Amino acid sequence: EAQVTQNPRYLITVTGKKLTVTCSQNMNHEYMSWYRQDPGLGLRQIYYSMNVEVTDKGDVPEGYKVSRKEKRNFPLILESPSPNQTSLYFCASSLNRLSYEQYFGPGTRLTVT
Amino acid sequence: DQQVKQNSPSLSVQEGRISILNCDYTNSMFDYFLWYKKYPAEGPTFLISISSIKDKNEDGRFTVFLNKSAKHLSLHIVPSQPGDSAVYFCAASDYQLIWGAGTKLIIKP
Repeated sequence: EAQVTQNPRYLITVTGKKLTVTCSQNMNHEYMSWYRQDPGLGLRQIYYSMNVEVTDKGDVPEGYKVSRKEKRNFPLILESPSPNQTSLYFCASSLNRLSYEQYFGPGTRLTVT
Repeated sequence: DQQVKQNSPSLSVQEGRISILNCDYTNSMFDYFLWYKKYPAEGPTFLISISSIKDKNEDGRFTVFLNKSAKHLSLHIVPSQPGDSAVYFCAASDYQLIWGAGTKLIIKP
């Protein structure tokens, strides 16, 4: 089954404690991205990757890091989480940069206290 | 400044009737528009799209209309079914996708 998986689905952590949210897709997609969803703001792109070892900032990259060492995986790293990073996070993938139809993971709800 | 706006946070429609979800945008350079549907505890899923060179695209019960002069996009669902209850996001693209805040559609039996 074609899918995007994210782990964990729920996470409560404290300010400053480094965390990683994993994302994996099994569709051999080139393009992957991370979004955060906040009430009243829709989805905002954090980082994206056009292929292995190619990553770039989205609209709200501050406080986040990503890596793309393999085509299927695109982890999101919060080196020092803060309460304003409390949000719902989605990983997405698509065939390539020009393909607008994206496949989303189920989301990770992060709470930073 | 939000370039893509969905002004109705929620909409309630009787089963069998037409649901109309609206979306306004400000950037005339957007060349592609999409609608996604999201159920609770799931990620958004692609529903329907339209290129800026068209004014209508239809897929079964779903039709998207684009009015470029008004910078307005709408999604029509006919007839509405209980399974259509979800949050609907519109998104627009020039070189990246810009998303609206979403409209929660509730279909009443």
